[in-house]
Amino acid sequence: QVQLVESGGGMVQPGKSLRLSCVGSGFSFSDYPMHWVRQVPGKGLEWVAVLAYDGRNRYDADPLKGRFTFSRDNSKNTLFLEIHSLGVEDTAIYYCARGRVVVGVPARYYIDYWGQGTLVTVSS
Amino acid sequence: DIQLTQSPSSLSASVGDRLTITCRASQDIRSFLAWFQQKPGKAPKSLIYGASTLQSGVPSKFSGGGSKTEFTLTISNLQPEDFATYYCHQYYSYPYTFGQGTKVDIK
Repeated sequence: QVQLVESGGGMVQPGKSLRLSCVGSGFSFSDYPMHWVRQVPGKGLEWVAVLAYDGRNRYDADPLKGRFTFSRDNSKNTLFLEIHSLGVEDTAIYYCARGRVVVGVPARYYIDYWGQGTLVTVSS
Repeated sequence: DIQLTQSPSSLSASVGDRLTITCRASQDIRSFLAWFQQKPGKAPKSLIYGASTLQSGVPSKFSGGGSKTEFTLTISNLQPEDFATYYCHQYYSYPYTFGQGTKVDIK
């Protein structure tokens, strides 16, 4: 069955960097686009980004530009999210989610499976 | 950015009820809308994509409808396991966005 397992969360000081990982199993990882979504505890969902199959095409939420680095290593079935210059506003549960493509121009990607999430707490 | 507004933000319902949640988009998103269910302390679960297509394994008591700017999620014969928060989500244009959520609790 499809499984997505995030890791790398924890407590980190403001201004530091953190790299989150998401390992996929039970499906052909390299055939699927992958999303990141985050959620401040007790609040709503916020879409972060989607990476296409090969990681060369990615789309993200504008406010994050420059501080977030997205990548994937299909040989290791792993998705990465690196967050730089962390601020308290980045405190959230970070979920990875598998995407499915709707063919078209442009292609669009909906979510079908979610990981369990990893909590990032930014605090001094 | 496309704004999604869900109504109501919360509601109380009884076991066996049928309820409908509405999601309004600030511009035409055709049918590029999904619905998710989230229970406390758990990851979201995908219910519907393409406005009305059930994800694999989702029971037919859930149904979605609508297009362009107005969408609905209907849950029939409400059961204890259906009490949760529901989110709509547009994947029509970037940045993708979510509604603020509708919390369904027991009356």
